Amino acid sequence: AQSVTQLDSQVPVFEEAPVELRCNYSSSVSVYLFWYVQYPNQGLQLLLKYLSGSTLVESINGFEAEFNKSQTSFHLRKPSVHISDTAEYFCAVILQRGGSNYKLTFGKGTLLTVNP
Amino acid sequence: NAGVMQNPRHLVRRRGQEARLRCSPMKGHSHVYWYRQLPEEGLKFMVYLQKENIIDESGMPKERFSAEFPKEGPSILRIQQVVRGDSAAYFCASSPGAGRQETQYFGPGTRLLVL
Repeated sequence: AQSVTQLDSQVPVFEEAPVELRCNYSSSVSVYLFWYVQYPNQGLQLLLKYLSGSTLVESINGFEAEFNKSQTSFHLRKPSVHISDTAEYFCAVILQRGGSNYKLTFGKGTLLTVNP
Repeated sequence: NAGVMQNPRHLVRRRGQEARLRCSPMKGHSHVYWYRQLPEEGLKFMVYLQKENIIDESGMPKERFSAEFPKEGPSILRIQQVVRGDSAAYFCASSPGAGRQETQYFGPGTRLLVL
């Protein structure tokens, strides 16, 4: 069975500092990869996704993630964070397997806290 | 608002009561998914529905839980005889038709508290 590991449950950083949120997965088949963000008391918003093609994907608000197949990782990075980036970030995968390419498996989340 | 809508946003029930959670997918979406988020856990898949069909309910508890997505109206997740362990946030997601199930758009969730 596939699994997703987010190594850090909490990441505190100062405003304008760089940040990396780590995500590793295990799967015997190819996967699609996602990062979702959840602001307090809100639903999940899709931040970025890797389906195929370039292994580096970017979001509109400055985040990027790189799919590393050999290390089975999909770490999320931002070179300079803002206080408004404070939220919980979830990494997720879907198995590329015919008939079930819809079941998202989530990590436990990383709470990013940006301090002034 | 063309997004996924869920109501109620918050629901309080006493043990033994029934909880009904509603989800209206995005306009043009015919696939609905329910996920449950327990405290300090990631979301876990419960069920996948298309109009009038349950496609995959492998994540649903075998007892007390049921889901439907009728031809008309919202999808309903129903929990009978709730227990304290059912307290969680329940999220609905939707996606367009076949071939695009991997990109799911989430609603704001229903936070269920069982007293």
